[in-house]
Amino acid sequence: DIQMTQSPSSLSASVGDRVTITCQASQDISNYLNWYQQKPGKAPKLLIYGASNLESGVPSRFSGSGSGTAFTLTISSLQPDDISTYYCQQHDNLPRTFGQGTKVEIK
Amino acid sequence: EVQLLESGGGLVQPGGSLRLSCAASGFTFNTYAMSWVRQAPGKGLEWVSAISGSGGSTYNADSVKGRFTISRDNSKNTLYLQMNSLRAEDTAVYYCAKDKTTWNDVPWSFECWGQGTLVTVSS
Repeated sequence: DIQMTQSPSSLSASVGDRVTITCQASQDISNYLNWYQQKPGKAPKLLIYGASNLESGVPSRFSGSGSGTAFTLTISSLQPDDISTYYCQQHDNLPRTFGQGTKVEIK
Repeated sequence: EVQLLESGGGLVQPGGSLRLSCAASGFTFNTYAMSWVRQAPGKGLEWVSAISGSGGSTYNADSVKGRFTISRDNSKNTLYLQMNSLRAEDTAVYYCAKDKTTWNDVPWSFECWGQGTLVTVSS
């Protein structure tokens, strides 16, 4: 199975800060990488697909980059509505696997 | 508008069975692969099972192989998960999810999700 490792596990930042979350795959997955946002008590929401493609309706302050084994989700200016847990997910191989999640809080 | 509505969750004893359903609307159901993804209380996301649009191909995580069966009825726009030999570690919210792209045999992404249904395995 492909292991997906996110860092950090949690972070606290101020409104307006630039926030970066990383996701490391245990083997080369090309750009077969998606990012999700999950708010407490809600279903996850697809943010980024194909490593860098913004899902329709997602604010442009979100962006994704990377290929191979190293990927990044960036929030260019953190907003109160961004308080969530973020997950990466690979679709290169079965089983589909997720990172353990990164919880983002407001300082 | 795409809608996915899960049902069938509840409390079941270890070793018991349960069947989850996911009623889909707002898209051409038989052209999309579908998945079940679960989330144990306070934990992360775990992909469980997937099925192609035709229903001809199914895939399962090792943790549920031989115990869970995914199926679909395209005439009813409904996805199912038959869960047998349930264990305490199967306790989770179960989400059904739709792939983003048509005609994939295995989902590439989970574009739309239901609200989830809670399965609790306990004596």
